[in-house]
Amino acid sequence: NAGVTQTPKFRVLKTGQSMTLLCAQDMNHEYMYWYRQDPGMGLRLIHYSVGEGTTAKGEVPDGYNVSRLKKQNFLLGLESAAPSQTSVYFCASSYTVNTEAFFGQGTRLTVV
Amino acid sequence: AQTVTQSQPEMSVQEAETVTLSCTYDTSESDYYLFWYKQPPSRQMILVIRQEAYKQQNATENRFSVNFQKAAKSFSLKISDSQLGDAAMYFCAYRNRNNNAGNMLTFGGGTRLMVKP
Repeated sequence: NAGVTQTPKFRVLKTGQSMTLLCAQDMNHEYMYWYRQDPGMGLRLIHYSVGEGTTAKGEVPDGYNVSRLKKQNFLLGLESAAPSQTSVYFCASSYTVNTEAFFGQGTRLTVV
Repeated sequence: AQTVTQSQPEMSVQEAETVTLSCTYDTSESDYYLFWYKQPPSRQMILVIRQEAYKQQNATENRFSVNFQKAAKSFSLKISDSQLGDAAMYFCAYRNRNNNAGNMLTFGGGTRLMVKP
């Protein structure tokens, strides 16, 4: 029962470097989401996808890009990392718009 | 836009006692869901309980229950017979029922619950 798996779990980047976070789900879910978690602010939606080949902006999309080339994978990219992107990133997925969202275990990213 | 507010950054409770975590929200919608998520030190987000706004009956899940006051836009979580394993961050979250933009959750800032032995 893998559920939602995020890779990597920890990463340290230097300012200006790029990286991609991978989210994989094995539940055949249509919807996938990327959130960031910052102290005192809960989780905020970065981008989301309502199906393979589709993506849309969430609440805090600036500085991030996403792709959903395969239904089971949702990639989050940082083209030029900034210290303000230091955060814990969560991926989630759900089968339909009205069903429970399942979360991955998070990726702690530090940009120095 | 919807907002969710948790006014208690930290709470503590004695083991076996009862504690209530507060949550208020603001929305112009009439049909929506409310959730409480638990986040232990492992970082995993675990759904604790869910309430559908059109249901008047408060949801319960074993030792967890909610007090849903729709008119007041209040959604508190009561944990009875608190256990050491209940220590975690708790997040209140909101979602429109028919959200064409996907299953987007709006979260509160969280309440850290400490359980004293």
